[in-house]
This record gives sequence, structure tokens and C-alpha cells, in this order.
Amino acid sequence: DTAVSQTPKYLVTQMGNDKSIKCEQNLGHDTMYWYKQDSKKFLKIMFSYNNKELIINETVPNRFSPKSPDKAHLNLHINSLELGDSAVYFCASSRQRDTQYFGPGTRLTVL
Amino acid sequence: AQKVTQAQTEISVVEKEDVTLDCVYETRDTTYYLFWYKQPPSGELVFLIRRNSFDEQNEISGRYSWNFQKSTSSFNFTITASQVVDSAVYFCALSEPTGANSKLTFGKGITLSVRP
Repeated sequence: DTAVSQTPKYLVTQMGNDKSIKCEQNLGHDTMYWYKQDSKKFLKIMFSYNNKELIINETVPNRFSPKSPDKAHLNLHINSLELGDSAVYFCASSRQRDTQYFGPGTRLTVL
Repeated sequence: AQKVTQAQTEISVVEKEDVTLDCVYETRDTTYYLFWYKQPPSGELVFLIRRNSFDEQNEISGRYSWNFQKSTSSFNFTITASQVVDSAVYFCALSEPTGANSKLTFGKGITLSVRP
């Protein structure tokens, strides 16, 4: 049984396009996150939601918009993709401040 | 601001050697959590351990052990008798409470290569 899942696993697209990444967790957690891992493997938090409410927004461009339709889902929509958006995006979930469990990642390549 | 330093960037060992991965952190919080995650070549992030700031007991899990020393702000990870399957990038992380959530501040990771 997959705990935190993301779709798609790979996403290749042209500059200027709009794309979405979906995340779902079946752990019963109330908190979900998006992290970005750059080409040097550095991991940085982007957003955090608790019970569908945005809690953390780490100076991410407005082109990135998270949406949480319910506690088990946190999607990431990206408008007007740029070359610099190429990265691996990880979704994670936790029970409030408890351990964060990560999804398998989505590798986004912008051409 | 919180900071995690993993000064070693790449380590290469021969199978069965012991290896220690260093982690030094900075925080002004009195209550915090420290983590280690493993990222194998397949790319997923695997949780290994969580330690809270009030528990300085060392922990051992099979071939893995962790040494938490508050006095030196370090949380080092030792793999005993390393195996090829231990080859991965290892991240140390520090948790900063933010309201009902917490955000992880990661170190830059240590790439461990275990050669047969």
C-alpha cells in the first residue's frame, strides 16, 4: 500500500506551459508539504498545509499555486513554466509536527 | 535562522568498512527535532531516524547508529560494516516548529559510495 503517492513521476514540457502535479496520502495525516530538490540535490520547503489551510509559503513565485481539496490531497499547479523550474518536486505528509514521510518525487524537465 | 551543515560532500568506502557521516546544526529553538533521511539512486526519500532535543541517548538500529551531542550541536550517523546497498545520498535535517506545522531545513547531503 502506497503511503504518499505523486503523479506523474516524470513530466517533460515546454517553457511557458502550465502543468500540475498531484499528491495523495493514505496515512491519515493532517499536514502536507511540497519540497523542491534542485540539480545539486538541495532540498527546500515550498509550501505546507494543515487541514487544507496554507501555513507555510516560502517566498515561492506566484506562478506556483498549491491547492488542497481535502486533508489527503495537495496538488501543485505551475503557470508559465520556466527553465529554472526544472527540478524534482517532493510531496510529504505528517501528523502535525511529527515525522514527515515523502512521496517518490516528480521529476519536472522544462525545455 | 536554522542551519544544517554536512561538511562532507562525498565519501567512498570499500564494503565492510565502517563510515561516519557528520551533521552539525544551528538553532535558537530549545525544542527541536533532528532527522536523517536516505535517498538511494532510485530517488525516493526514506526516513531513517528522528531525535528530539531532550533525548541525547545514542540509538542503534542494526548496522546503523546515531550519536547526538547537544554540547557540540552534532548528530552524527555511523554505518557499521557498510554494504553496497548503503550507497545513497544521506540528508541530515532539522525541524523548526511553525504554528501547527514544522518545516525541515536540510543539509546539502552526503553522497556515500560503497564499493564491493
